Amino acid sequence: AQRVTQPEKLLSVFKGAPVELKCNYSYSGSPELFWYVQYSRQRLQLLLRHISRESIKGFTADLNKGETSFHLKKPFAQEEDSAMYYCALPRAKAAGNKLTFGGGTRVLVKP
Amino acid sequence: NAGVTQTPKFRVLKTGQSMTLLCAQDMNHEYMYWYRQDPGMGLRLIHYSVGEGTTAKGEVPDGYNVSRLKKQNFLLGLESAAPSQTSVYFCASRNRDFEQYFGPGTRLTVT
Repeated sequence: AQRVTQPEKLLSVFKGAPVELKCNYSYSGSPELFWYVQYSRQRLQLLLRHISRESIKGFTADLNKGETSFHLKKPFAQEEDSAMYYCALPRAKAAGNKLTFGGGTRVLVKP
Repeated sequence: NAGVTQTPKFRVLKTGQSMTLLCAQDMNHEYMYWYRQDPGMGLRLIHYSVGEGTTAKGEVPDGYNVSRLKKQNFLLGLESAAPSQTSVYFCASRNRDFEQYFGPGTRLTVT
C-alpha cells in the first residue's frame, strides 16, 4: 500500500539554524514526490517537487530511492519559514491521481 | 485568474442541519478534490472527480456527497451534519503535471 510518513510532528529551531524535515514513502514503482507548505491560516501551496530539482525559498529536497526518502532541507531557517509542511505522493492514474499526504510537520523558527 | 475559490469561508451548523460547500476553479482542470484537515491527522481525501459528471470516494466519504455538474464547480454536501464533521475543508484542482492547487478553505463548526 502507498504510504507517506512524516515522523516529526513538530520541529523547533532557532533562526539561522539548519532545518531538515523527514519524509519517507512506500511505493512500488517510480515515485513522484511533492512538498506542500501551509502558512498560518492560509491555503496549501506547492513548495517544490522532486523532478524540478529546484531550490525554492532556500529549500531543497533530494529523492533517495534506496532509503525511500524525500527529506526537505534548508541550511539557514528564517522566521517566515514557520509553517506546516506536508510531503505528498500522487497515486496512479487509475486512482484519480489522488495525493497521499503525510501527517505534516509543524516548523517553528524562533528568533 | 482567481485560481480555486471556496464559499463560504466560515459556517456554524447545528447537528442535523445540512449545507453545501462550493468550490470553483478557473484553470480548466479536469481533476478536483475535497479534503478535510484535522489537527494531528493531516489532510484526508473525502471525494474526488476526474471530470465533469464523475465522482469517486476517497478515504473518508461517509456523511458527505458530491456533485460535478459543471467542469469548473465541485460541490460538497453534508446532508445531516454531525459534530465529528467539525473541520477545515479544502478543495483542490490538479493540472497535467500532477500539481494540486488548493482553495482557501472553509472552517466548519457543528454544534
